[in-house]
Amino acid sequence: IQMTQSPSSLSALAGDRVSITCRASQTIGTYLNWYQQQPGKAPKLLIYAASSLQSGVPSRFRGSGSGTDFTLTISSLQPEDSATYYCQQGYSNPHTFGQGTKLEI
Amino acid sequence: EVQLVESGGGLVKPGGSLRLSCAASGFTFTSYAMNWVRQAPGKGLEWISSVSDSGSYLHYADSLKGRFRVSRDNAKNSVYLQIDSLNADDTAVYYCARVHNSGWGHIDYWGQGTLLTVSS
Repeated sequence: IQMTQSPSSLSALAGDRVSITCRASQTIGTYLNWYQQQPGKAPKLLIYAASSLQSGVPSRFRGSGSGTDFTLTISSLQPEDSATYYCQQGYSNPHTFGQGTKLEI
Repeated sequence: EVQLVESGGGLVKPGGSLRLSCAASGFTFTSYAMNWVRQAPGKGLEWISSVSDSGSYLHYADSLKGRFRVSRDNAKNSVYLQIDSLNADDTAVYYCARVHNSGWGHIDYWGQGTLLTVSS
């Protein structure tokens, strides 16, 4: 299953709301996860099962979608949200990642 | 506290082999599948392989089948990745990661990564 994210990069201002989309090459139900990676660090889980917020993750992160089209929305952007965001499908092995979206605040 | 500590990276010549190790602690190791994920310099995340909680089921990225071999030793709370016929494209940070056992396939804990550099 191929995962395609868009855009590849984007810039926004603190306080803005942005959306990142992820499209699967075949239906994956809601087996979609989102990760945030800061430079030089391991990725961090944000959202699993398309819309479930991982414990400890701020509520300004929201995931939605099902089937083949998914969205990660970040509201009230904070400077620390500058990072690269990846989607991953957990529907079938191999659990492929999208190519990433670099967000600059 | 869940901890995943990778080791075994370093500088290896093309054509060589290497085994990466990951020592797990702070959770019931036998209850979780484990993944290996890599990231080439300046590139995105690449899912490499998965080993089930028992070690009975193994999965690999389609493009990597044949040269990579994942295994685990539940008595030692460790997971391993053997890589053969190394080439420059294998240069990356290799992460060991725990798959949450709820069935959604998400990774809830990552190691800090170990850098493998393939160069002559």
